[in-house]
Amino acid sequence: IAGITQAPTSQILAAGRRMTLRCTQDMRHNAMYWYRQDLGLGLRLIHYSNTAGTTGKGEVPDGYSVSRANTDDFPLTLASAVPSQTSVYFCASSDRSSTDTQYFGPGTRLTVL
Amino acid sequence: RKEVEQDPGPFNVPEGATVAFNCTYSNSASQSFFWYRQDCRKEPKLLMSVYSSGNEDGRFTAQLNRASQYISLLIRDSKLSDSATYLCAVNPNNNDMRFGAGTRLTVKP
Repeated sequence: IAGITQAPTSQILAAGRRMTLRCTQDMRHNAMYWYRQDLGLGLRLIHYSNTAGTTGKGEVPDGYSVSRANTDDFPLTLASAVPSQTSVYFCASSDRSSTDTQYFGPGTRLTVL
Repeated sequence: RKEVEQDPGPFNVPEGATVAFNCTYSNSASQSFFWYRQDCRKEPKLLMSVYSSGNEDGRFTAQLNRASQYISLLIRDSKLSDSATYLCAVNPNNNDMRFGAGTRLTVKP
């Protein structure tokens, strides 16, 4: 593994279903982030984690939850998906904090019907 | 008003042209600034950080103007391979990063 991996690559989901997007990094970075990218709106931060065991809310956290049980993994959960959560989701990591360069995973394309 | 704003373009330029993008930000306490490049259906990748004194990397020059709260990216001698969307990113605090919606550049033969 080199960098950040995300799974699945894409997913079509029925509204109301629960979904977890997976993110794993092998760079031993302390900080990790989840963004969604929508046309015309750019990347918006959903949740972040500065270090294992801690998480925080970003710009658009409603409807999403995260956990950071260890350094490498940062899953994003949609408890009950809604069509407005249709988007491309990117996971990212940085060495110490958001003042450092962020490295992005390849993204997950999620469609909620 | 968005915290970070960019001209969405598209910018269509011939090979060899010089093109400049600006990005304005609203939070005067912002600490770090970046330009990312994003190819179609790919993830963003760091192009360059933006330092207070300005910095250059080959054909690319980035500048920061704190007084007017904007950053700029200049691309000289444009190549076909420069065609992409360029995202500016501004870090208002240790926990956050705000991205612009991106400026699309197409370099034509």
